[in-house]
Amino acid sequence: GNSVTQMEGPVTLSEEAFLTINCTYTATGYPSLFWYVQYPGEGLQLLLKATKADDKGSNKGFEATYRKETTSFHLEKGSVQVSDSAVYFCALSLNRDDKIIFGKGTRLHILP
Amino acid sequence: DAGVIQSPRHEVTEMGQEVTLRCKPISGHNSLFWYRQTMMRGLELLIYFNNNVPIDDSGMPEDRFSAKMPNASFSTLKIQPSEPRDSAVYFCASSPTGMGTLHFGNGTRLTVT
Repeated sequence: GNSVTQMEGPVTLSEEAFLTINCTYTATGYPSLFWYVQYPGEGLQLLLKATKADDKGSNKGFEATYRKETTSFHLEKGSVQVSDSAVYFCALSLNRDDKIIFGKGTRLHILP
Repeated sequence: DAGVIQSPRHEVTEMGQEVTLRCKPISGHNSLFWYRQTMMRGLELLIYFNNNVPIDDSGMPEDRFSAKMPNASFSTLKIQPSEPRDSAVYFCASSPTGMGTLHFGNGTRLTVT
């Protein structure tokens, strides 16, 4: 079936550290890939997306590259801030409909 | 744009009572989704609509749950009768058809005692 697997949290880092959150997917066909972020007490927000192989999505200093050969879409940021503390969800869409499949989420804590 | 609006933000009710959650999607968005979030199961898709028509309700846990979308600007999720295991945060999200990106409301935190 179609699914998304992401690293379990929580992930705790110091401010200005380098961040990687791993995400791999299983899908029939050619999905679009997404990272969503959820801040406390809020709904999820789209952080970035990529619609085809080798595309790089980027936003707010975060980046992720669609790697078809490794079926991965790892999230990276060069220097994290306390305000980046949130839960991050990797997701895919099969583009046949609007249905989006989410991973279980990774909680990120950034220490000042 | 006000975004997706959900009400109430918090709901506390007793087991056996009926609960109705409400959602107003972003104007012009043709798809609407209901999700449930818990610590144990994460984010689960319950049902989604396209142009007010239910497309996939395979995630609705059981007959106690029902959802309607009588028009393009309003949807409800009803639980009758409610049970303690229904306690969760329920999110509504909308999307312009074919875009594959979701806009979430801030959720309704439901507690069933």
